[in-house]
Amino acid sequence: SQQGEEDPQALSIQEGENATMNCSYKTSINNLQWYRQNSGRGLVHLILIRSNEREKHSGRLRVTLDTSKKSSSLLITASRAADTASYFCATDTGRRALTFGSGTRLQVQP
Amino acid sequence: EPEVTQTPSHQVTQMGQEVILRCVPISNHLYFYWYRQILGQKVEFLVSFYNNEISEKSEIFDDQFSVERPDGSNFTLKIRSTKLEDSAMYFCASSGMVYTEAFFGQGTRLTVV
Repeated sequence: SQQGEEDPQALSIQEGENATMNCSYKTSINNLQWYRQNSGRGLVHLILIRSNEREKHSGRLRVTLDTSKKSSSLLITASRAADTASYFCATDTGRRALTFGSGTRLQVQP
Repeated sequence: EPEVTQTPSHQVTQMGQEVILRCVPISNHLYFYWYRQILGQKVEFLVSFYNNEISEKSEIFDDQFSVERPDGSNFTLKIRSTKLEDSAMYFCASSGMVYTEAFFGQGTRLTVV
C-alpha cells in the first residue's frame, strides 16, 4: 500500500452511530493529520497527532496512532448528518510536504 | 478565525495560456504550500515555500510551474503554458511552524479547455 492509505474506502452509517476510519502508512513520520473534505470544497484540518503520542481527543473525535504498526484510526462518536464528507489522513515525514491518502467517504444517514 | 483565501474560485483557460492562481495565507504563518487534486484522485503535494524560496518540490512541479510571494501577503502559483492535464483543484495552504497543522484554502478549480 502507499503512504497514507485509508480504509474503508466508503462507510455508511446511521446518525448517532460511531464511525471508525483507519489509515496505514509505510515510512517514519513526524506527525499524522486528519482532514475532512466536503464534496468539491476545501480541506478542513481536524486533528494532528505527533509520532510520540498514542491518542488524542478533540470534541467528538478520537485519534489513535500506533507507530509500531504504522497505523492510525479516526473515531467520530455520535455521528451527525453534517459529518457526511470524505476524510483523509496525511503524513508528515519531515519533508515539509504532506502525503495524503485516498480517503474514506463517510455517509451519515439521518 | 483566520483563514487562507484563494482567488479565483474557478478559472477556465485555453490550453497553452498562462494562469496565475492567488492565495492569501494566514498572516503570521511562515510556511506556504501548493497542492492539487485531480477530480476523483488524491491530494498531491506540489511545492513548499519558506523564507522567500522553495524548500521542497515534487516531480509534478516542473519548469512550467513557478511560485512567488510578491508582497507581504500574497502567494501565487503560475502555470506558464497550461495543458489539459493541469485541470484540477489547486489548494494553497500555510502553517505557522514546520511540522504543525497546515490550514488549507477553499481551492481554485482550474479547467483547461
